[in-house]
Amino acid sequence: QSALTQPASVSGSPGQSITISCTGTSSDVGGYNYVSWYQQHPGKAPKLLIYGVSNRPSGVSSRFSGSKSGNTASLTISGLQAEDDADYYCGSYTSISTWLFGGGTKLAVL
Amino acid sequence: QVQLQESGPGLVKPSETLSLTCTVSGGSMRTYYWGWIRQPPGKGLEWIGCIYYSGSTDYNPSLKSRVATSLDMSRNQFSLRLNSVTAADTAVYYCARATWGDYVFDYWGQGTLVTVSS
Repeated sequence: QSALTQPASVSGSPGQSITISCTGTSSDVGGYNYVSWYQQHPGKAPKLLIYGVSNRPSGVSSRFSGSKSGNTASLTISGLQAEDDADYYCGSYTSISTWLFGGGTKLAVL
Repeated sequence: QVQLQESGPGLVKPSETLSLTCTVSGGSMRTYYWGWIRQPPGKGLEWIGCIYYSGSTDYNPSLKSRVATSLDMSRNQFSLRLNSVTAADTAVYYCARATWGDYVFDYWGQGTLVTVSS
C-alpha cells in the first residue's frame, strides 16, 4: 500500500488561510470517513487536530477545519499564526484493516 | 489524562531484534487499539501495526513478516518486536492509542530513537 499523497510544502503569511490536500483511493480516504490530521513540531510527537474527516478534539482551535471530496481530504488553517509553522500529516484507516499516513506537508508561516 | 511512555534499547545491531515496550497510565486499555508508528530521521510517519485489547493484531503488509506485538493489560503495557533489523529501521518509534469506531490515534508517546548500527 502506498502512502497518501500530500504536497511537500505550503506557505502563508500571518492572518491568511491555507489548505493542505491529502489524496488516496477508494480503499482508504474515499471509502470511509476515517480521515485524521496531525500536527508535528520539530522533536515532538504528532498531535491530533482532526478526526472523522471534520471533527475537532476538545482543545483544538476552531481555526483548523477538515473536509473531503471523493478520494481527496483537505485541512484548512485560517488566520495563520506563527505557531502553526509545523509539519502536517493526514492519516486514514483502510479497507484491509490497516492505517496509512501521508508523506507530510511542511507549512512555513512567512 | 492518558499518558504513554516508550522504553527499550536505543541501539540495536544489524540482523538482531528490536524490542520496545509502551507503558500506559491514566486510563484503561480496554476497548482500544494500541499501535506502533515510526519516523525515520527527516522523513514521514509509517504505521507499523496495532493490537486490539482482545489480542487481535493488524500489521503493515510491508513489515508483517518481521513484526510481532503483544499486550499485558495486567501491567498496562504493550510491546513491539521487529526482527532482522537493518539500517533502514533506524527511526523514532512512537506508541499510540487508537479508538475503535473512529480509528484515530488520539494519544501518543513522546517517541524513542532506535539506531541500528554495529
